[in-house]
Amino acid sequence: DVKVTQSSRYLVKRTGEKVFLECVQDMDHENMFWYRQDPGLGLRLIYFSYDVKMKEKGDIPEGYSVSREKKERFSLILESASTNQTSMYLCASSSNLSNQPQHFGDGTRLSIL
Amino acid sequence: KQEVTQIPAALSVPEGENLVLNCSFTDSAIYNLQWFRQDPGKGLTSLLLIQSSQREQTSGRLNASLDKSSGRSTLYIAASQPGDSATYLCAAPAHGGADGLTFGKGTHLIIQP
Repeated sequence: DVKVTQSSRYLVKRTGEKVFLECVQDMDHENMFWYRQDPGLGLRLIYFSYDVKMKEKGDIPEGYSVSREKKERFSLILESASTNQTSMYLCASSSNLSNQPQHFGDGTRLSIL
Repeated sequence: KQEVTQIPAALSVPEGENLVLNCSFTDSAIYNLQWFRQDPGKGLTSLLLIQSSQREQTSGRLNASLDKSSGRSTLYIAASQPGDSATYLCAAPAHGGADGLTFGKGTHLIIQP
């Protein structure tokens, strides 16, 4: 069974802090993704990665960066946290096969005070 | 840019009814289309994935269809149960290929016992 693990379920940080959200998958998937989910706006893609050290911007990359040093780990970085980055963050992974779905972690609910 | 719309936004029906959830997308050059379920405060669970060459997929009481030419997909739930209560999300690849997903805002489903 595919397991996508996000390091924290809940996180509280202060404005201006540098915040790291970690995600690990155990299925040797090539692709990894970060989304945020907000009421009324739904899920939106922040960044994704096809391979180690590769990254692509999604729809809302501003204020975020990512790191993928190992295949199984994909980190989302908030360079200088702001209150408008309070949200639910969801990580996902997938293989390159067209008949395989994305698998999601349980999410990190991040509050920026 | 892919846009995904789901109707209705919310639905409440008595237990035992058959029901249909609708999804439309603007870019028909899609790789596949996915349906997910989300329980409150949780991540997403993959329900069905339909590849671009397929017309439908079935899993238990769930059946999803895909009509690429008209940009539509439906999720049919047979003999609904209270445990089916959740938010159902439709998602299509943002740029057609194996990249991040664009999500609809979901249908919030309540099955009354």
